[in-house]
Amino acid sequence: TQLLEQSPQFLSIQEGENLTVYCNSSSVFSSLQWYRQEPGEGPVLLVTVVTGGEVKKLKRLTFQFGDARKDSSLHITAAQPGDTGLYLCAGYHGQNFVFGPGTRLSVLP
Amino acid sequence: EAGVAQSPRYKIIEKRQSVAFWCNPISGHATLYWYQQILGQGPKLLIQFQNNGVVDDSQLPKDRFSAERLKGVDSTLKIQPAKLEDSAVYLCASSLEGRTGKIFGSGTQLSVL
Repeated sequence: TQLLEQSPQFLSIQEGENLTVYCNSSSVFSSLQWYRQEPGEGPVLLVTVVTGGEVKKLKRLTFQFGDARKDSSLHITAAQPGDTGLYLCAGYHGQNFVFGPGTRLSVLP
Repeated sequence: EAGVAQSPRYKIIEKRQSVAFWCNPISGHATLYWYQQILGQGPKLLIQFQNNGVVDDSQLPKDRFSAERLKGVDSTLKIQPAKLEDSAVYLCASSLEGRTGKIFGSGTQLSVL
């Protein structure tokens, strides 16, 4: 059983569309991080959210941490082919840092 | 700033053989991690070092996996003997301290035949 669930597992969209991916847990996390991983590379940290209800924006990416700190979402506006990759959420549950299984996003030109 | 260096990038071995991976973290980063990422899954922590001491190795299969970080800088991860289910990408990461963002290397893709 995964401590962090991510949905959808796969997403294929056209350039210019908007999308939202989700990270959910039944447990409370003290913080959550989002990473993007491109094929053949390691994950790259995008953002860390710490406070329940927190919203952070990074250009066309908007990250939200749930009020109860059990879930998070990543919204991408006007997706571009360069956004293609595996989006991973990860967080501290107690002393353990765990990753979700990821959402594989493909943005077609 | 140089990133986390890993070698080799790819390795193909037969089951029951041995293999070793090397990682050089970012200069000054005290914490070093080894992760295993099986295809279609998120990375799973194998071992975490703080300087040259082990902080967490609870998910390291110690009957076949070993890791060391001599002098608190670079690190090696060894598998002996390898099994088919060890086929995965092995990622090394480092951070300034335990709870800050991790910087990952490009990984070593291991195929066990």
